Amino acid sequence: EPEVTQTPSHQVTQMGQEVILRCVPISNHLYFYWYRQILGQKVEFLVSFYNNEISEKSEIFDDQFSVERPDGSNFTLKIRSTKLEDSAMYFCATQQSREGYTFGSGTRLTVV
Amino acid sequence: AQSVTQLGSHVSVSEGALVLLRCNYSSSVPPYLFWYVQYPNQGLQLLLKYTSAATLVKGINGFEAEFKKSETSFHLTKPSAHMSDAAEYFCAVILSGGGADGLTFGKGTHLIIQP
Repeated sequence: EPEVTQTPSHQVTQMGQEVILRCVPISNHLYFYWYRQILGQKVEFLVSFYNNEISEKSEIFDDQFSVERPDGSNFTLKIRSTKLEDSAMYFCATQQSREGYTFGSGTRLTVV
Repeated sequence: AQSVTQLGSHVSVSEGALVLLRCNYSSSVPPYLFWYVQYPNQGLQLLLKYTSAATLVKGINGFEAEFKKSETSFHLTKPSAHMSDAAEYFCAVILSGGGADGLTFGKGTHLIIQP
């Protein structure tokens, strides 16, 4: 079964540093998403991406965050200047239709 | 806008007993509804989904859920709990119309299985 691949599985970074989280979507999927889960809390929607631009974003997705699909395959989430409260599990998800989301296994980001 | 309420942050059942995890939704248009399971330190695995076909949906690992429009509910059940079912369970909703808005998740229910 096709999978969404996320790298790295775990990243530790110092506060103020930039991080890039990477996702390889399923090849024929058209919609791409990033979600965040702070430890012990619910999964929260960050942003959706379709046709090479942001379609929707939540209040969490402020100017520190950006997404792009630089080479037509990878889908990346960049945090420009990380804060302690950015520590979370970040999930990439892709979708062909509204019935069929597939989540990656996540990247655990630890900001120290 | 849509929302999801999961009643009970923790549910404890004995091995072999019925599992019932509650989910109520609010949506302005017909929704699509999902249940996901998350094992410790792992990602989200789809258990089952309702996408406006049959109201009783069967998923993996013996779980099923019934969409009840009159009650705006989508409760998850399993007739006989197994120790391996211990995990966090999330109900999620999305509007059935077009667009790229994301899933809205409930806060999750931690299922504890007592031996």
